[in-house]
Amino acid sequence: DAGIIQSPKHEVTEMGQTVTLRCEPIFGHNFLFWYRDTFVQGLELLSYFRSRSIIDNAGMPTERFSAERPDGSFSTLKIQPAEQGDSAVYVCASRSGTSGGGNIQYFGAGTRLSVL
Amino acid sequence: AQTVTQSQPEMSVQEAETVTLSCTYDTSESDYYLFWYKQPPSRQMILVIRQEAYKQQNATENRFSVNFQKAAKSFSLKISDSQLGDAAMYFCAYSPTGNQFYFGTGTSLTVIP
Repeated sequence: DAGIIQSPKHEVTEMGQTVTLRCEPIFGHNFLFWYRDTFVQGLELLSYFRSRSIIDNAGMPTERFSAERPDGSFSTLKIQPAEQGDSAVYVCASRSGTSGGGNIQYFGAGTRLSVL
Repeated sequence: AQTVTQSQPEMSVQEAETVTLSCTYDTSESDYYLFWYKQPPSRQMILVIRQEAYKQQNATENRFSVNFQKAAKSFSLKISDSQLGDAAMYFCAYSPTGNQFYFGTGTSLTVIP
């Protein structure tokens, strides 16, 4: 079991650039979540998917943030254009949609984004 | 509003001793889930233990156990026979559905050899 794979581990970019973060969930997990860890406010839910559909993206801070999960497997989080205040660790999580999954979310190691 | 409070930013324990981490939460729901996650230096959060609110019996996983007091909205984690590998940040989390998770601010646990 490979667990959740997030790439890149660390992204350094400049203001105004487009950033794309990727998450590969645990195989077979129907739900996929994007969180942001600012170290001040802790983990904040940005959005989440069931299969390929966004269920809730109310946590997205601005319209500069968008998330996709085109075929129900991997997901991308895009920030366009990036601002210095977007610097944070972006964490992906997933969970099974079956009753046997226990409603447990499994977390990736995160992508540390630095916007200069 | 649903909030989770961890009132101990830092805790320390002697190796082989027992330590209890506190967590309280606020909710108007009757059925929900509670979790303790461990975040080692690698930063990948790992599930330690899970409790379903409708179950009165406290969850146990090897050296880890909880004291779930539903009326008091308290969910503390007890680590017995502490080991050096237990040193990490510990986060308490509440979820009404398994989707929206609410996390506490974490407790940093140091294990003293």
